[in-house]
Amino acid sequence: DGGITQSPKYLFRKEGQNVTLSCEQNLNHDAMYWYRQDPGQGLRLIYYSQIVNDFQKGDIAEGYSVSREKKESFPLTVTSAQKNPTAFYLCASSTLGGRGNEQFFGPGTRLTVL
Amino acid sequence: QKEVEQDPGPLSVPEGAIVSLNCTYSNSAFQYFMWYRQYSRKGPELLMYTYSSGNKEDGRFTAQVDKSSKYISLFIRDSQPSDSATYLCAMNKAAGNKLTFGGGTRVLVKP
Repeated sequence: DGGITQSPKYLFRKEGQNVTLSCEQNLNHDAMYWYRQDPGQGLRLIYYSQIVNDFQKGDIAEGYSVSREKKESFPLTVTSAQKNPTAFYLCASSTLGGRGNEQFFGPGTRLTVL
Repeated sequence: QKEVEQDPGPLSVPEGAIVSLNCTYSNSAFQYFMWYRQYSRKGPELLMYTYSSGNKEDGRFTAQVDKSSKYISLFIRDSQPSDSATYLCAMNKAAGNKLTFGGGTRVLVKP
């Protein structure tokens, strides 16, 4: 089945630790995105990538880092510099042409800082 | 002021009623408009996609865009308890660009 997978589903982090969230897609999409969702605030863009080995900061990139070494993979690292990392993290992907505005989402990772 | 405003609800309706949802936005550069449905603790699922102004119908769902008023709507006819979810509007300027989301409206359809 084609789709987007995220792992783990739940993640607990101690203060001061870096953690990496996985996102993989087999839709052959060029663009991939990371969003953060907090209650009542919708989704906010952290980083996005339109091509391998290139990515751009979104609205709330501070304290996060990404890599795009393969077309199908776009991992997100939440660093210790992120002051309030507890949130629901969503990965998405899309094509770039045609209906490239349609972004398809994974099931999400819920990160909790202990 | 947020670029996209959406009433958080909750919006409670009886089964079979019409659900009416809307968003207002401030950026006239937005051209593509989407509605997503999100069940609790799940990723959003794309429901409707429209370009520019006009109406689009898909089964029980109708999306309307009025660019002159910077206002978009989603109507759900013959609502079912399974429609109970949070509905997010989203929009962007071009393919491959970030989506700007509203905060979501929580909908509860009571049997």
